[in-house]
Amino acid sequence: NAGVTQTPKFRVLKTGQSMTLLCAQDMNHEYMYWYRQDPGMGLRLIHYSVGEGTTAKGEVPDGYNVSRLKKQNFLLGLESAAPSQTSVYFCASRVAGEYYNEQFFGPGTRLTVL
Amino acid sequence: ELKVEQNPLFLSMQEEKNYTIYCNYSTTSDRLYWYRQDPGKSLESLFVLLSNGAVKQEGRLMASLDTKARLSTLHITAAVHDLSATYFCAVDKVRQGAQKLVFGQGTRLTINP
Repeated sequence: NAGVTQTPKFRVLKTGQSMTLLCAQDMNHEYMYWYRQDPGMGLRLIHYSVGEGTTAKGEVPDGYNVSRLKKQNFLLGLESAAPSQTSVYFCASRVAGEYYNEQFFGPGTRLTVL
Repeated sequence: ELKVEQNPLFLSMQEEKNYTIYCNYSTTSDRLYWYRQDPGKSLESLFVLLSNGAVKQEGRLMASLDTKARLSTLHITAAVHDLSATYFCAVDKVRQGAQKLVFGQGTRLTINP
């Protein structure tokens, strides 16, 4: 199993450009998450999904949109990138039902917005 | 609002020494997670603590949870260079459903020979 994978690994955007980050998991997990990691702030939840076709806002959702059209994929979109969105983005997934299971994280996407 | 604070944020120590990282959180929760992150890498799950008084150990690392004090500790015994990394604690924000984790700021641990 590949676990949780993210595409791309690195990206540089200009202000105002758009892009989509892809997260894929092959563990048949119901729940998927998008976080951003900034220096000195730990990880903060952007959006999450409890199943195919459902999404919800996390702690810092502004400027981002998400979609979960297939159970194994969770997409994070930036419609008009801003320098404040320069960050490392992590996707995570976990199984539903047993609420204390840990989340499994992808390798991250380093995004720079100029 | 749930807040999670770690201290210290930076820790430089010598091999063979012992030290403790503290994780305080602001509202009631009985599920706490410790993760490790190496530079440029993803997060690796270390411990899941599920109840008051829970203690788990793996090698030179031991984690404990005191839900009454809203405090978890990660104790490092006889540190070795391989333990150099950033350590995060995270607390579960909800009891049911999607499990929204709130992370501490991280503790960057450097172990010098």
